[in-house]
Amino acid sequence: GQNIDQPTEMTATEGAIVQINCTYQTSGFNGLFWYQQHAGEAPTFLSYNVLDGLEEKGRFSSFLSRSKGYSYLLLKELQMKDSASYLCAVAPGNNRKLIWGLGTSLAVNP
Amino acid sequence: GAGVSQSPSNKVTEKGKDVELRCDPISGHTALYWYRQSLGQGLEFLIYFQGNSAPDKSGLPSDRFSAERTGGSVSTLTIQRTQQEDSAVYLCASSFGPPGGNTIYFGEGSWLTVV
Repeated sequence: GQNIDQPTEMTATEGAIVQINCTYQTSGFNGLFWYQQHAGEAPTFLSYNVLDGLEEKGRFSSFLSRSKGYSYLLLKELQMKDSASYLCAVAPGNNRKLIWGLGTSLAVNP
Repeated sequence: GAGVSQSPSNKVTEKGKDVELRCDPISGHTALYWYRQSLGQGLEFLIYFQGNSAPDKSGLPSDRFSAERTGGSVSTLTIQRTQQEDSAVYLCASSFGPPGGNTIYFGEGSWLTVV
């Protein structure tokens, strides 16, 4: 079957760095997305990786290793507003519907 | 419009009644998704439309749920004989094409409460 695993919850301190991991097993691969979802709001796009390596975008970076079926989202200089759920999603080989992880709930404490 | 538009934003209905939820995707987007999300839970896939292809209905939880997309644009999700367990936020999303390489944009959701 197709599956995505990510930690359920994480806690970090304001100003620190946190890494949220995502592992996937899918039939083929057409890219991996990270989304942010604040409580009571819709998910918003953060990043897309289709090739191996690190993509940096401001305080957020996303890494992909296709051979390992592994990605992480790195958040630097954490702010209170970064408290949210972070969703990992993979476009499988048939390139139809995305496969979604259940999300990692990140709490940033002062 | 500039983004994915959903209506109603909130709906309270009595158990057993039918409800219709509407989604107006971003102009030009050929792919349209419906998801359901209960409080504190992950996204539950319901249905996927891509261009003129037959929709992927594999996520619809029962035959009380149906969806259509008219003219390749606006979509309506219909829930017949609503039950309390149908209470959730229903999220619509769209993208330029299949998910590989195309960002999916979400609407603000329709919050459904069945009493």
